[in-house]
Amino acid sequence: GNSVTQMEGPVTLSEEAFLTINCTYTATGYPSLFWYVQYPGEGLQLLLKATKADDKGSNKGFEATYRKETTSFHLEKGSVQVSDSAVYFCALSGTRNTPLVFGKGTRLSVIA
Amino acid sequence: NAGVTQTPKFQVLKTGQSMTLQCAQDMNHNSMYWYRQDPGMGLRLIYYSASEGTTDKGEVPNGYNVSRLNKREFSLRLESAAPSQTSVYFCASSEAGVAGGRADTQYFGPGTRLTVL
Repeated sequence: GNSVTQMEGPVTLSEEAFLTINCTYTATGYPSLFWYVQYPGEGLQLLLKATKADDKGSNKGFEATYRKETTSFHLEKGSVQVSDSAVYFCALSGTRNTPLVFGKGTRLSVIA
Repeated sequence: NAGVTQTPKFQVLKTGQSMTLQCAQDMNHNSMYWYRQDPGMGLRLIYYSASEGTTDKGEVPNGYNVSRLNKREFSLRLESAAPSQTSVYFCASSEAGVAGGRADTQYFGPGTRLTVL
């Protein structure tokens, strides 16, 4: 079945550092890929998504590129801020009426 | 639009008590979902409803029941709560319906923090 593996945290960075959170997937067909973010005490919200190979999703300075050859969707940001401290979830879905499959989440802490 | 709303925000139960978690969405979405979130386990799907009138089991359905009351509302019931059900519960919805095609975005509620003593 479909599955998502993302790097375990926690990840602690200084402000303005470069961020990479790795995500790889196993799926049949051509899944859509997502990154969700969860700020403390809140629900998940969509950060970015990509629906086909070589697509790049971007939002709030974060980017991720759908790499079919390496089955990956790594999240990157060039310069993190304290306000980016949150838990980040990679997810995929293969078809329109099936639920998303989530990774276990990576906690990011950014210190000033 | 309020998006996805959940009630209550917090609840403490004793072992064996029952309760229903309520979820509603105002986005006219077809599909709704219930997840639980536990430390180190990520999000696990309990039940989902691809359309009004249908429900399906997810990864961890034991000990739970659901009702898709109408297109807007999807409730989760614990008939006899156990300490293992202490968790944060999230409801989500998406536009997706029963037709095939690519996945679309799920929108999440703020969660219900449940403690079972």
